[in-house]
Amino acid sequence: DTAVSQTPKYLVTQMGNDKSIKCEQNLGHDTMYWYKQDSKKFLKIMFSYNNKELIINETVPNRFSPKSPDKAHLNLHINSLELGDSAVYFCASSQVIGGPGNTIYFGEGSWLTVV
Amino acid sequence: GEDVEQSLFLSVREGDSSVINCTYTDSSSTYLYWYKQEPGAGLQLLTYIFSNMDMKQDQRLTVLLNKKDKHLSLRIADTQTGDSAIYFCAETDYGQNFVFGPGTRLSVLP
Repeated sequence: DTAVSQTPKYLVTQMGNDKSIKCEQNLGHDTMYWYKQDSKKFLKIMFSYNNKELIINETVPNRFSPKSPDKAHLNLHINSLELGDSAVYFCASSQVIGGPGNTIYFGEGSWLTVV
Repeated sequence: GEDVEQSLFLSVREGDSSVINCTYTDSSSTYLYWYKQEPGAGLQLLTYIFSNMDMKQDQRLTVLLNKKDKHLSLRIADTQTGDSAIYFCAETDYGQNFVFGPGTRLSVLP
């Protein structure tokens, strides 16, 4: 059973389109994240949700809108895609805030290419 | 804000030991982690260490923590070609905010 799963794994789309990436975790974690990994492999936090509430919202264009229907799901919707949005997007989850042994688990990534 | 730094590249010969270093700035870090990313894959947790420990060993992996200098290292003994990957150092305060380093690209030469 995959702990953190995200779909699609690969997505090629044209500039100006709107697309969504879905994420689900079956670990019972309270906190979920979206990270962006650029072409140099640097990881940057985009959003963090705890029990469906937005906690971290880094400087991200408002074309990116996360949605958490329940604590096991955190989807990422991107409007009006631009060439610079091409990257790998990782969903992740972690255990309750403040608990011992907190570890963040990652999905396999969604490779987005905007043409 | 918190920062985590690592060298970007490391090359070693197969069979040698690899040492990947990391420095961090957050003095309230409680846990520090090493993640491995193979090409085309996600980040896989390798090991973690609690901030009140100074060493942790797990098979070929040895983690050393110098809390005073805020320095973390990962030693891989008998490095194999399958160890070629990007290794990310990360730290968290109490599990809400995780800060990752830029990753060290380890190349293992035959």
